[in-house]
Amino acid sequence: EVQLLESGGGMVQPGGSLRLSCAASGFTFSSYAMGWVRQAPGKGLEWVSGMSGSGGNTYYADSVKGRFTISRDNSKNTLSLQMNSLRAEDTAVYYCAKVPSTFFQGSFDYWGQGTLVTVSS
Amino acid sequence: DIQMTQSPSSLSASVGDRVTITCRASQSIRNYINWYQQKPGKAPKLLIYAATSLQSGVPSRFSGSGSGTDFTLTISSLQPEDFATYYCQQSYSISVIFGGGTKVEIK
Repeated sequence: EVQLLESGGGMVQPGGSLRLSCAASGFTFSSYAMGWVRQAPGKGLEWVSGMSGSGGNTYYADSVKGRFTISRDNSKNTLSLQMNSLRAEDTAVYYCAKVPSTFFQGSFDYWGQGTLVTVSS
Repeated sequence: DIQMTQSPSSLSASVGDRVTITCRASQSIRNYINWYQQKPGKAPKLLIYAATSLQSGVPSRFSGSGSGTDFTLTISSLQPEDFATYYCQQSYSISVIFGGGTKVEIK
């Protein structure tokens, strides 16, 4: 059974940093691209970042480019999102999601339960 | 960037109704569209991928159609557990874009 478990969310002041993690199990992690999708309170879904299965290709939404860094450790089946220079508008539930391909293109076929990030002074 | 315009933003329907949700892309995305269902407080769930393919385990009352710029998600006979918000998503370009969502409510 595919499982994705996010952690690392919490409250942080504007300008601060936070690191999210996603522990994956139930599939060959290194064979699949992964992504992060967020949802601000009461709003729709917004893609944040994606990475190929090998980790060789990374992609970012314009809204987070230069502030967020996606990474993965295929030996530990873990996906991470380092978030720096956080802003109030980054407040959201962050979901880790699996792509059914080694390349970052396609649907998100499995999702984690999400972790809440709140940016507030 | 490709824009995805989803309509309507909300609708009211009764159990047993046929429901249609539309998504229009700002340029051709061939068949690179996916549909998700999200219930309050839960993660999205993939329903349809590549415009018409039903994800494993999803009831056959859900179907997708379209190609190019105009796409449709249809629920043939609405069930109580189908009241949720639905999103389209284009995967033609690397820059993933979701539609604004359609909230399906009980009439």
